[in-house]
Amino acid sequence: DVVLTQSPLSLPVTLGQPASISCRSSQSLVHRDGNTFLNWFQQRPGQSPRLLIYRVSNRDSGVPDRFSGSGSGTDFTLRISRVEAEDVGVYYCLQGTHGPPWTFGQGTKVEIK
Amino acid sequence: EVQLVESGGGLVQPGGSLRLSCAASGFTFSSYWMHWVRQAPGKGLMWVSHVNNDGGNTNYADSVRGRFTISRDNAKDTLYLQMNSLRVEDTAMYYCVRDNGGIDLWGQGTLVTVSS
Repeated sequence: DVVLTQSPLSLPVTLGQPASISCRSSQSLVHRDGNTFLNWFQQRPGQSPRLLIYRVSNRDSGVPDRFSGSGSGTDFTLRISRVEAEDVGVYYCLQGTHGPPWTFGQGTKVEIK
Repeated sequence: EVQLVESGGGLVQPGGSLRLSCAASGFTFSSYWMHWVRQAPGKGLMWVSHVNNDGGNTNYADSVRGRFTISRDNAKDTLYLQMNSLRVEDTAMYYCVRDNGGIDLWGQGTLVTVSS
């Protein structure tokens, strides 16, 4: 099974400052069709997860442009250019390239300093 | 409005059964793979099961294989999860999730508590 390792697991940030979360895979996430099925989700306290980024770097509809995704192969990054109070929550990466099983990272908790 | 609405959760004793349902609306349900994902209290997300468009292909996490059964009724735009032989460790919020070339849409979840 593919293991996704996120770091850091806890990320205290100052409002208006950038933040970055890493997601590393135990094997390449390039599918045989050429796509890379790596998504990022945000889960605010008490809410369901929400899709932010799909296939590494594509923002979902309505997602603020301060969120961006990048990476390739086994190393991926979610960046928030300027953290706002509403960004507090837990962020997860998910791979769908080598499912089943589909696997999630452990989650990174973003909080305001 | 595009949405997924789960139901059927509740309190059940170890060894008992529950059937979860997920009503889809706002999109062509029969065109999408679907999944169940769960989240134990205070923990991360864990994929549970998948079904393809027509229900002919299903997959399960090792921890639930042989106890849980995923199915769908495309005429009713509804996804199901039959859960048998429930264990305390199955306690979690269960989310119905759409796969659009990758998981995208989530329901609000239904809480399953397994306790004596």
